[in-house]
Amino acid sequence: DTAVSQTPKYLVTQMGNDKSIKCEQNLGHDTMYWYKQDSKKFLKIMFSYNNKELIINETVPNRFSPKSPDKAHLNLHINSLELGDSAVYFCASSLGQGNYEQYFGPGTRLTVT
Amino acid sequence: RKEVEQDPGPFNVPEGATVAFNCTYSNSASQSFFWYRQDCRKEPKLLMSVYSSGNEDGRFTAQLNRASQYISLLIRDSKLSDSATYLCVVNLPWDYKLSFGAGTTVTVRA
Repeated sequence: DTAVSQTPKYLVTQMGNDKSIKCEQNLGHDTMYWYKQDSKKFLKIMFSYNNKELIINETVPNRFSPKSPDKAHLNLHINSLELGDSAVYFCASSLGQGNYEQYFGPGTRLTVT
Repeated sequence: RKEVEQDPGPFNVPEGATVAFNCTYSNSASQSFFWYRQDCRKEPKLLMSVYSSGNEDGRFTAQLNRASQYISLLIRDSKLSDSATYLCVVNLPWDYKLSFGAGTTVTVRA
């Protein structure tokens, strides 16, 4: 059983399109995250939800909108995709906020052409 | 200045060798420290937490130097399977987010 799963694994799309990435965890964790890893391999937090409540919202263009329908799911919708959005997006979850091990999903490799 | 800085490497070492590398962090109030491992085109996974007094986990030893604001990772008796990128991760006590370094790449050759 996959602990943190993401779909799709690969996403190739054109500039200006809108796309969504879905994430689910079956670990019973309260906290979920979205990270972006760019070509320089830098892993940067974008958003975090704790029990469906937004607790971290980094400086991210408002074209990116997270949604957490329940604490096991955290989706990411991206409007008007740009070339610079090309990256690997990782979902992660942890037992709670703060100092807990984070478990990552396999990543979604987004390529915007 | 980045919150967490690492030497990107790569460190190319033969099997059986010892390899060590550091990571520096900018905020002296940082409280929690971790090493994550990321294989090529895979997700990061926790390797070990770093405790104030230093700690070992098998062939891996982590140290924390608060005065100089760095943490280190030493790998003894390197295996081919140790080839990966090692991410230094730091957490501030009042912050819910982890700050990741860009990683140090280690390649172990036969």
